[in-house]
Amino acid sequence: GAVVSQHPSWVICKSGTSVKIECRSLDFQATTMFWYRQFPKQSLMLMATSNEGSKATYEQGVEKDKFLINHASLTLSTLTVTSAHPEDSSFYICSARGQGRYEQYFGPGTRLTVT
Amino acid sequence: AQTVTQSQPEMSVQEAETVTLSCTYDTSESDYYLFWYKQPPSRQMILVIRQEAYKQQNATENRFSVNFQKAAKSFSLKISDSQLGDAAMYFCAYNAGDSNYQLIWGAGTKLIIKP
Repeated sequence: GAVVSQHPSWVICKSGTSVKIECRSLDFQATTMFWYRQFPKQSLMLMATSNEGSKATYEQGVEKDKFLINHASLTLSTLTVTSAHPEDSSFYICSARGQGRYEQYFGPGTRLTVT
Repeated sequence: AQTVTQSQPEMSVQEAETVTLSCTYDTSESDYYLFWYKQPPSRQMILVIRQEAYKQQNATENRFSVNFQKAAKSFSLKISDSQLGDAAMYFCAYNAGDSNYQLIWGAGTKLIIKP
């Protein structure tokens, strides 16, 4: 149980274009979903927290207009990187938690390369 | 503010031996949750074990067990009978048990298993 999928697993896009990453909870309802960024050999950096049906809460320093998060249902959240630049190249990971739970279950991550 | 410290950037252990990874945290809360996550080379983050602060009994999951010392704010992970598949980054994480459900992460410990 507690499986989270994430697509695509890797994506290459050109500078100035937008890319959407999907995160789905497959066997539970995700009351809250989280989006992280991870730099090589580092820990996870929380970008934003989203609750189903509500606007996402962004961490300080994360541009809301650049990283658009939508949590339209209890099983799906999307992260759209708009007008991507090479510095946005990174590993993005989503996670989800179920009702009444404090642990998070993670998707396999998406490697984004902006050329 | 809560913080999580993993003082061992890297640990190595002989296959079949036992290894202990250290984690300390700082909080003024009395009820909270602690987790160990494993991130193998695939980068899929996997929940290894969780501990509720109100429980005095140390959590165990097969070969994985914790030594939770609440007064000392210490939460170490013991891996018994180490296997090659245990090689990974291990992250300690704290959750305040509040309504934002966010995890505070340690910097991680890289575990190397020597065959």
